[in-house]
Amino acid sequence: AQSVTQLGSHVSVSEGALVLLRCNYSSSVPPYLFWYVQYPNQGLQLLLKYTSAATLVKGINGFEAEFKKSETSFHLTKPSAHMSDAAEYFCAVSGGANNLFFGTGTRLTVIP
Amino acid sequence: DTAVSQTPKYLVTQMGNDKSIKCEQNLGHDTMYWYKQDSKKFLKIMFSYNNKELIINETVPNRFSPKSPDKAHLNLHINSLELGDSAVYFCASSQVVSGGQETQYFGPGTRLLVL
Repeated sequence: AQSVTQLGSHVSVSEGALVLLRCNYSSSVPPYLFWYVQYPNQGLQLLLKYTSAATLVKGINGFEAEFKKSETSFHLTKPSAHMSDAAEYFCAVSGGANNLFFGTGTRLTVIP
Repeated sequence: DTAVSQTPKYLVTQMGNDKSIKCEQNLGHDTMYWYKQDSKKFLKIMFSYNNKELIINETVPNRFSPKSPDKAHLNLHINSLELGDSAVYFCASSQVVSGGQETQYFGPGTRLLVL
């Protein structure tokens, strides 16, 4: 079975500060992991994904995530937050058969 | 040139009514999905179709019936709407490669409110 846990339903950072959104996964098979972003009243957009190639994955808008098997983690980071990063972020793990299991989401607020 | 589109964007209706939500993708993908996002933003898959055939059918009331007339369309019909059906419904699509690493592309969502 596959699942993800996102620690912190709400994260606030100052503009220019480091963004760290946490995701831990559980998977009975080697996982494929995804981060999606949802801006207000919009659909989900893929930020990045891990498919067992490189453990450090770079995505759009300056985000990156590192797959750490020993910690079963796939945390999302960005060195310097921008006001436009304010959104809901979802971590997801693939359960095979094209089935995505989503975390409960983390709302990122950026303080000017 | 929208990749995954849904209609309507907003849907307000009375309990007991029957309604449909339409989804179309122009990405040439062979798999389409319906997700439900509840008021707490939790996203859960409802159905998945591959080349017009149902491959995932999670525990969803049988009042919900997906229909795929062709691989570019996956519509969701809901009978006898209940208050608890109020949510945002997202359509998505992907091209199956292998093993579940495919990216799913999401539509903008349909916000359903049942009164």
